[in-house]
Amino acid sequence: DVKVTQSSRYLVKRTGEKVFLECVQDMDHENMFWYRQDPGLGLRLIYFSYDVKMKEKGDIPEGYSVSREKKERFSLILESASTNQTSMYLCASSLRGGNYGYTFGSGTRLTVV
Amino acid sequence: GDSVTQMEGPVTLSEEAFLTINCTYTATGYPSLFWYVQYPGEGLQLLLKATKADDKGSNKGFEATYRKETTSFHLEKGSVQVSDSAVYFCALSGGRGGFKTIFGAGTRLFVKA
Repeated sequence: DVKVTQSSRYLVKRTGEKVFLECVQDMDHENMFWYRQDPGLGLRLIYFSYDVKMKEKGDIPEGYSVSREKKERFSLILESASTNQTSMYLCASSLRGGNYGYTFGSGTRLTVV
Repeated sequence: GDSVTQMEGPVTLSEEAFLTINCTYTATGYPSLFWYVQYPGEGLQLLLKATKADDKGSNKGFEATYRKETTSFHLEKGSVQVSDSAVYFCALSGGRGGFKTIFGAGTRLFVKA
C-alpha cells in the first residue's frame, strides 16, 4: 500500500526550540507539500517542492524553512518555534502535473508551549 | 485567482438519508476537480476526481459530476452511513495555480444512527 509517512503523530516542543518535521513517501512522486490546518482557516500551504533540492514558498512561509535532499523525503523546519505555530501539520505528495490528486500523511499535531 | 466555494456545515443527516454537498469553483483553463475526505484525527484521503467536463467521479457510493456550464462539482451519496461522518473538501488543480491544489474550506458531515 503506497503511503506518505510523517515521523510523529503528536509532538510537544518549547518556545524557541528548533523543530524538524519529517515526511517520507514511497511512491516516487515528484511533488511534495507541507500544509498546516487550523480550525476556521482550512488548509494553508507553507512550502512545496517539485524536485530534489527545489523549493517554493507557499502562502504562509514565514517562520518555516524546508529541505529536500532526496526525492522521497521532505522536511519542514521551524527555526524558532512559537506558540502561534501550534497546529496540525500535513504532508502530501503527488505526481508531476495537476490531474492526479494528492496522497496525504496522517498529520503531526504540534503543540508549542 | 482560482477559488473553490463549498457549502458551510455542519450537515447533519440520519442514516440512509441522501447526501448533497455543494461545490462551485472559479478557475482559468481546464482544471481537474477533486473531493477529499478527512476522518477525525487523520490526514485527507482522495475520495474521487474528474479531469474534464461531464466526467463523473465515483468511489464508495459517492459521486460527483464535473459541470463546466455551472462551474460546479457537487458531491452526492444515495444512502449515508454513520461511518461517513467526516469532513469533506472540494478542490481543484491545474488552473492558474498549475499543479498546486486549491482547497475549499471543508464541510463537516454528521450521520446519526
